[in-house]
Amino acid sequence: QKEVEQNSGPLSVPEGAIASLNCTYSDRGSQSFFWYRQYSGKSPELIMSIYSNGDKEDGRFTAQLNKASQYVSLLIRDSQPSDSATYLCAVTSANQAGTALIFGKGTTLSVSS
Amino acid sequence: DAGVIQSPRHEVTEMGQEVTLRCKPISGHDYLFWYRQTMMRGLELLIYFNNNVPIDDSGMPEDRFSAKMPNASFSTLKIQPSEPRDSAVYFCASSLAMGVHQPQHFGDGTRLSIL
Repeated sequence: QKEVEQNSGPLSVPEGAIASLNCTYSDRGSQSFFWYRQYSGKSPELIMSIYSNGDKEDGRFTAQLNKASQYVSLLIRDSQPSDSATYLCAVTSANQAGTALIFGKGTTLSVSS
Repeated sequence: DAGVIQSPRHEVTEMGQEVTLRCKPISGHDYLFWYRQTMMRGLELLIYFNNNVPIDDSGMPEDRFSAKMPNASFSTLKIQPSEPRDSAVYFCASSLAMGVHQPQHFGDGTRLSIL
């Protein structure tokens, strides 16, 4: 069973701090990695994607990928209360039928003002 | 552009009743996915379609669940008969293609409660 693991949290950080969210995955063949943000009662919203080892920055968000360690992370700089949400890590994984997107259960982030 | 559209947004029904959830994918997207989300199990893939053809239904929990995609702009997920343990949020998502580098875009979901 291919898996994506995340700490459920909650991860609590003060406003303005850096929030660090982590994710590990079991399928060494995974090639695409996504971070989705899900506000309570809402649908998942794509915020970052990363395909190569290293860092990818987009505004206050930085995704980091280390395929050798099967590890992907999301850093949120200058955290704001509006960043309070559940963050889902999603990883592509191939099976006989095709390539599916496997989701972790998410990490809940709480940013206090 | 309109996103993925799901209906109804909320459904409350008694066990044993038939439930039909509906989804309209983003125009031009070839892939459509049905997910179920619960606190215990997180987001689970139930089934996905490519060009209206079901490709992988290994996530469908039981024969009580069925899904169809009669055309490129419409899909249904049906539960018959429904049970309380089917209570969850059901999401539909679509993507331009499948696999690497293709994110999925989600609808607002249907919150299903079976009494």
